[in-house]
Amino acid sequence: DIQMTQSPSSLSASVGDRVTITCRASQSINNYLNWYQQKPGKAPKLLIYAASSLQSGVPSRFSGSGSGTDFTLTISSLRPEDFATYSCQQSYNTPYTFGQGTKLEIK
Amino acid sequence: EVQLVESGGGLVQPGGSLRLSCAASGLTVSSNYMSWVRQAPGKGLEWVSITYSGGSTYYADSVKGRFTISRDNPKNTLHLQMNSLRAEDTAVYYCARFRLTWGEFDSWGQGTLVTVSS
Repeated sequence: DIQMTQSPSSLSASVGDRVTITCRASQSINNYLNWYQQKPGKAPKLLIYAASSLQSGVPSRFSGSGSGTDFTLTISSLRPEDFATYSCQQSYNTPYTFGQGTKLEIK
Repeated sequence: EVQLVESGGGLVQPGGSLRLSCAASGLTVSSNYMSWVRQAPGKGLEWVSITYSGGSTYYADSVKGRFTISRDNPKNTLHLQMNSLRAEDTAVYYCARFRLTWGEFDSWGQGTLVTVSS
């Protein structure tokens, strides 16, 4: 199985900050990497697919990059509604594993 | 607009069974890849199972042999039959569409809570 490791596990930041979350796969997954945002008590929401493609309706302050085994999610300027948990997911093969999540909190 | 609505969760004793349903609107279950993803309390997301439009099914090792994913095409509904439930199966279960662009889960239901406890 492909293991997905995110760092950091938690992050404190302020409104307006630029933040980067990293996801590493245990083997190459090409660009088969997706990012989700989840708020407490809610379902995950797709933000980025294919490592760097922005899902329709997602603000352009979100961006993704990377290929192979190392990927990043960047939020260019944090807004209050961005404080949530972010998870990566590989879709290279089954089982379609997720990272453990990164909780983004207000500083 | 795609809507997925899960139901069937609840409290069940270890060793018991439960059947989850996911009623879909705005998409046709039979022609999409549909999946179940779960989240234990305070934990991350865990992929559980997927059914491809051609009929193939796949499962996480943690549920293989105990869970069965199926579709009711006339009712446009996805199911997850869960047998031999264990305490570690306690989670919110989400159904989601697996979009074939790059294998992303682009539509999710609101989730249904399954609690396995005596």
